[in-house]
Amino acid sequence: EIVLTQSPATLSLSPGERATLSCRASENIRKYLAWYKQRPGQPPRLLIYDASNRAIGIPARFSGSGSGTDFTLTISSLEPEDFAVYYCQQRSNWPPLTFGGGTKVQI
Amino acid sequence: QVQLEESGGGVVQPGGSLRLSCAASGFTFRNFGMHWVRQAPGKGLEWVAFVWNDGSNEYYADSVKGRFTISRDMSQNYLYLQMNSLRPEDTAVYYCAKDASALAGRQDYWGQGTLVTVSS
Repeated sequence: EIVLTQSPATLSLSPGERATLSCRASENIRKYLAWYKQRPGQPPRLLIYDASNRAIGIPARFSGSGSGTDFTLTISSLEPEDFAVYYCQQRSNWPPLTFGGGTKVQI
Repeated sequence: QVQLEESGGGVVQPGGSLRLSCAASGFTFRNFGMHWVRQAPGKGLEWVAFVWNDGSNEYYADSVKGRFTISRDMSQNYLYLQMNSLRPEDTAVYYCAKDASALAGRQDYWGQGTLVTVSS
């Protein structure tokens, strides 16, 4: 099973600042990584798929990069609605699909 | 627009059974794989099960294999999760999610979830 490790666990930033979130895979997953955002009481929402492709309706301030074992989600300028928990997920070798433990972006 | 609405959650005793349902609309159901993903209270996301677009094959997490069964009704556009031999560690919000294609392995739309509590 591929293990995804997200860091940091918590990121404390202010609106307008840049956020950089990391996801590391236990083995090579090529480009097959997605990022999801989850606000309290809400289901997850797909942000980025295949490392760098924005999903439908996702603003350009969200960008993804990386390949192999190291991936990054960048939010260029935080909006109030961006304070949430972010999860990475791999689909390179499944089943099982696996998620990272999450990074909480808080004010 | 794509809509997914789960139902069937509730409180059940350890060892009991429950069937979750997910009503799907707004897309051609038979063309897409479907997932169940769960989230224990205050915890992260855990993928549970997947069924191919045509219902011909299923995948399960090791934690539920042999106890849970995923299925779909193409005529009614419903997804199901039959959960047997439930354990306290199965307590979670269960989300129904649409795959981005027949077998992409990523979820592009999610329902609001239904809470399952396993407790005596």
